[in-house]
Amino acid sequence: DTGVSQNPRHKITKRGQNVTFRCDPISEHNRLYWYRQTLGQGPEFLTYFQNEAQLEKSRLLSDRFSAERPKGSFSTLEIQRTEQGDSAMYLCASSSSGQGRSYEQYFGPGTRLTVT
Amino acid sequence: AQKVTQAQTEISVVEKEDVTLDCVYETRDTTYYLFWYKQPPSGELVFLIRRNSFDEQNEISGRYSWNFQKSTSSFNFTITASQVVDSAVYFCALSEGDSGSARQLTFGSGTQLTVLP
Repeated sequence: DTGVSQNPRHKITKRGQNVTFRCDPISEHNRLYWYRQTLGQGPEFLTYFQNEAQLEKSRLLSDRFSAERPKGSFSTLEIQRTEQGDSAMYLCASSSSGQGRSYEQYFGPGTRLTVT
Repeated sequence: AQKVTQAQTEISVVEKEDVTLDCVYETRDTTYYLFWYKQPPSGELVFLIRRNSFDEQNEISGRYSWNFQKSTSSFNFTITASQVVDSAVYFCALSEGDSGSARQLTFGSGTQLTVLP
């Protein structure tokens, strides 16, 4: 039983560059979530998908951020024109939904982004 | 709007002491879910427990126990006989439910627990 995986684990980029992160959820989970965590803070919700549909987006998700889950399996989070304030840990989580299922979100190891 | 407050930023105890981590939440929904997660130094968030708003029964799992009180909007976490391996940041989180499914989590700012040998 594999957990949530994220790639890359670390990314260093220069300001103004675009970056893309990938998340592979637990295989039978239909919900996928993205969070951002800065040092000393709890994770903050960015967006979530049920299957391939993006159901909710936080106001934290500026127009430079875009997330996709094209086939309802893995997801990508892209940040365009990165800024130093984007430096954070980006966490992915997945869960099940529906009658009789457990709803806990299981988290991946995260991608640590450093913008120089 | 929902909010989770963990007033204790850092706690330090000596091994074998009991320790309680406080969590106070705010929500307007009558159906919601409360969670605790552990984030060890390795960084990966580990799920510990989920409680539904309509179930105030306290729960015990080994050395861990949780006290849910709707009257005070609190969901406190106690570790009995703490061990060095319990050292981590602990997060309390809240989700407002829809049709029984948890949506996005609102996290507190976390409590750094250090257990000294």
